Amino acid sequence: AQSVTQLDSHVSVSEGTPVLLRCNYSSSYSPSLFWYVQHPNKGLQLLLKYTSAATLVKGINGFEAEFKKSETSFHLTKPSAHMSDAAEYFCVVSEEGNNQGGKLIFGQGTELSVKP
Amino acid sequence: DGGITQSPKYLFRKEGQNVTLSCEQNLNHDAMYWYRQDPGQGLRLIYYSQIVNDFQKGDIAEGYSVSREKKESFPLTVTSAQKNPTAFYLCASSTDRGGQPQHFGDGTRLSIL
Repeated sequence: AQSVTQLDSHVSVSEGTPVLLRCNYSSSYSPSLFWYVQHPNKGLQLLLKYTSAATLVKGINGFEAEFKKSETSFHLTKPSAHMSDAAEYFCVVSEEGNNQGGKLIFGQGTELSVKP
Repeated sequence: DGGITQSPKYLFRKEGQNVTLSCEQNLNHDAMYWYRQDPGQGLRLIYYSQIVNDFQKGDIAEGYSVSREKKESFPLTVTSAQKNPTAFYLCASSTDRGGQPQHFGDGTRLSIL
């Protein structure tokens, strides 16, 4: 069965320092993977997606993620945190198999805090 | 601009009352989804629909009902059978092709009076 594990429920960084949000997945196939961001009382916004093309995926707002099949990881990084990056981040995998209707499996989320 | 509109943003329900949350999309997506989000938890799938006039239960469908009479609309009714309805509800849509991302509305926060 597929699953997604976000290894940290909360990450705190100082403004201008690097961000690392960790995500491991389990999948029998080559999965499609996504990172979403959610600001308070808002919906989820797609940051980036991996769909078996380049293993290093660049997203919006300076974020990127690297797909590592050998480690079953899809960690999200940003070289320099900004105050506006403070939000909840979700790692997501597409559900496998035919006729799954585009269903997604969500991690539990990582809350990112950015200190001035 | 294309997108998903959820209304209302805040909703209050009395005990024993049914309430309906609206979700409309103009992205021409075939598939639509309803999720429930509780504090500190990820999203849990309530119902989804891949095509008009068809829908399937998700992981936590008890106490909820949906309809899909039009491609652009997928309303969710929270019935009195749902004993703990206080949550943030998110609607999403996608092209229903495997491996595609979902697009989300801004959510409806439901509270019990």
